[in-house]
Amino acid sequence: SQQGEEDPQALSIQEGENATMNCSYKTSINNLQWYRQNSGRGLVHLILIRSNEREKHSGRLRVTLDTSKKSSSLLITASRAADTASYFCATDPQGAQKLVFGQGTRLTINP
Amino acid sequence: DTEVTQTPKHLVMGMTNKKSLKCEQHMGHRAMYWYKQKAKKPPELMFVYSYEKLSINESVPSRFSPECPNSSLLNLHLHALQPEDSALYLCASSQEAGANVLTFGAGSRLTVL
Repeated sequence: SQQGEEDPQALSIQEGENATMNCSYKTSINNLQWYRQNSGRGLVHLILIRSNEREKHSGRLRVTLDTSKKSSSLLITASRAADTASYFCATDPQGAQKLVFGQGTRLTINP
Repeated sequence: DTEVTQTPKHLVMGMTNKKSLKCEQHMGHRAMYWYKQKAKKPPELMFVYSYEKLSINESVPSRFSPECPNSSLLNLHLHALQPEDSALYLCASSQEAGANVLTFGAGSRLTVL
């Protein structure tokens, strides 16, 4: 069963705009990760935020985590065509000893 | 070396064939994973090996048989597959099993005729 639900399922914006994706999950977690996948290729780890952290930055990425609402958001600022990809959140339900991926958001950046 | 290498990139097989997917990493990671991914869906965990021992099998049909010959190699043996098994098969590794950061390979695209 999938732990995470992401919205929107698809997002199309103009280059230079900011993109925000949201992830909700069901059970308590130790950490939450975000991954990017270019079409038909492997996933690439972007950022990890621990359950005791509220916000984290990495370059143009900003991740927030609200454990009371069981939700996270990924913000990509000043988007580029190369950011076109699918983005997945992944959580580790406590005690599960594995990562469970959300349904993903397909992001398209239009030049 | 910070890569996970998967071979072959593409595989087409009949339902009676026997084939194998291979995965290799030289990062000293002690956990290795097989995921299956259908189009426009998230990766689904199939197997986890921790210190060369199978630690998680997500109720995968026996026509998929994993093998971990050593800490750097992971195989997935395929036999009597069904057309619905056509998918992208992703190998990943992490320092330890559990909720660690995963390093993924580029995947093997499998088509079952």
